Amino acid sequence: NAGVTQTPKFQVLKTGQSMTLQCAQDMNHEYMSWYRQDPGMGLRLIHYSVGAGITDQGEVPNGYNVSRSTTEDFPLRLLSAAPSQTSVYFCASSYSTGRYGYTFGSGTRLTVV
Amino acid sequence: GDSVTQMEGPVTLSEEAFLTINCTYTATGYPSLFWYVQYPGEGLQLLLKATKADDKGSNKGFEATYRKETTSFHLEKGSVQVSDSAVYFCARPGAGSYQLTFGKGTKLSVIP
Repeated sequence: NAGVTQTPKFQVLKTGQSMTLQCAQDMNHEYMSWYRQDPGMGLRLIHYSVGAGITDQGEVPNGYNVSRSTTEDFPLRLLSAAPSQTSVYFCASSYSTGRYGYTFGSGTRLTVV
Repeated sequence: GDSVTQMEGPVTLSEEAFLTINCTYTATGYPSLFWYVQYPGEGLQLLLKATKADDKGSNKGFEATYRKETTSFHLEKGSVQVSDSAVYFCARPGAGSYQLTFGKGTKLSVIP
């Protein structure tokens, strides 16, 4: 099925470990974003990309890294995990600017202990 | 800056009750407006959208009208079902239109 695929669905990390959250879309969307969802905070933008080779920071970028080498993939890297990064992470993609809405993946639930 | 404010709830309704979830936005131009729904344990799904003033978005019995006079996009449903229990998010494109700015979400619980 076409859409946005995120892996893994669940992950537990120890403080200081690094890992990569994977995101792939097969809709040929130019725009991709990473959000984190925390109770009482709604969704906050971490990083986004407007095309292959182009990325930029969102509202809460510290502690995260991204790259966009292909249109399809937009991985999110945690450089040195901290308990404050315990959250649910969502990847999203869009055909054009946000005018028509984004398609979201099913999320990665990350716990840092 | 660009923002969205929605009633935070939680909201608990009996089955077949009328639902309204308020959403207002800051007006820099006339952005597209969206309602997303998140069912328990799942990601966000686009519920409905409106791309210009006076448009009405509708889907699955839910409706919302883009009202520029009151900068509002309230979500309504005439008769809710238990299966509508979810968190609802109002959203608009943010600065540069490359990303979405979300409200904090409203949790709806519908009891039989």
